[in-house]
Amino acid sequence: DAEITQSPRHKITETGRQVTLACHQTWNHNNMFWYRQDLGHGLRLIHYSYGVQDTNKGEVSDGYSVSRSNTEDLPLTLESAASSQTSVYFCASSRDSGTSEAFFGQGTRLTVV
Amino acid sequence: ILNVEQSPQSLHVQEGDSTNFTCSFPSSNFYALHWYRWETAKSPEALFVMTLNGDEKKKGRISATLNTKEGYSYLYIKGSQPEDSATYLCAFNAGNNRKLIWGLGTSLAVNP
Repeated sequence: DAEITQSPRHKITETGRQVTLACHQTWNHNNMFWYRQDLGHGLRLIHYSYGVQDTNKGEVSDGYSVSRSNTEDLPLTLESAASSQTSVYFCASSRDSGTSEAFFGQGTRLTVV
Repeated sequence: ILNVEQSPQSLHVQEGDSTNFTCSFPSSNFYALHWYRWETAKSPEALFVMTLNGDEKKKGRISATLNTKEGYSYLYIKGSQPEDSATYLCAFNAGNNRKLIWGLGTSLAVNP
């Protein structure tokens, strides 16, 4: 069955370190998204991609970057981790149209100490 | 700025009660309205994607209606069960730009 997986599921890192969260989907979806979820804020869009070599900034992109070298993967990099980036991160993918439902990964809980 | 608002923020009901909650969204440039169910410690899962004004969708005891002219959608749960306890999210898509704008969700707790 097609799926979307995130790794790691949990990570603790130190302030200032570079961290990469992986997202891999086998749906062959063009659209991929990274969100963070914090109490009181719901799902906030960090970065998104509509296809290979396409990346776009979301509403909370500062301190994060993504790359899309193939259809399946959209890794999220925290260039220099900060305590404010402690959060739960969700990756999602969808087909091309805005009427296509989004499929979510299991989430990555990141703690920056 | 496009905002999606959901109400109430949280809801506690008894098993067997029927309940409903609201999602409000901009009525201009409407393309699609999504409903998702998000159980604790899991990921959001799609319930419905609605596109037509007046549309009604149903999945078991859960149904949703859509009014694009006035910018709201209702989600109904008939005969709530403890397993319905979850956060219900709605998300708005404007002009088929493929991004979703999310509400903060309604947290439902069903007491046995």
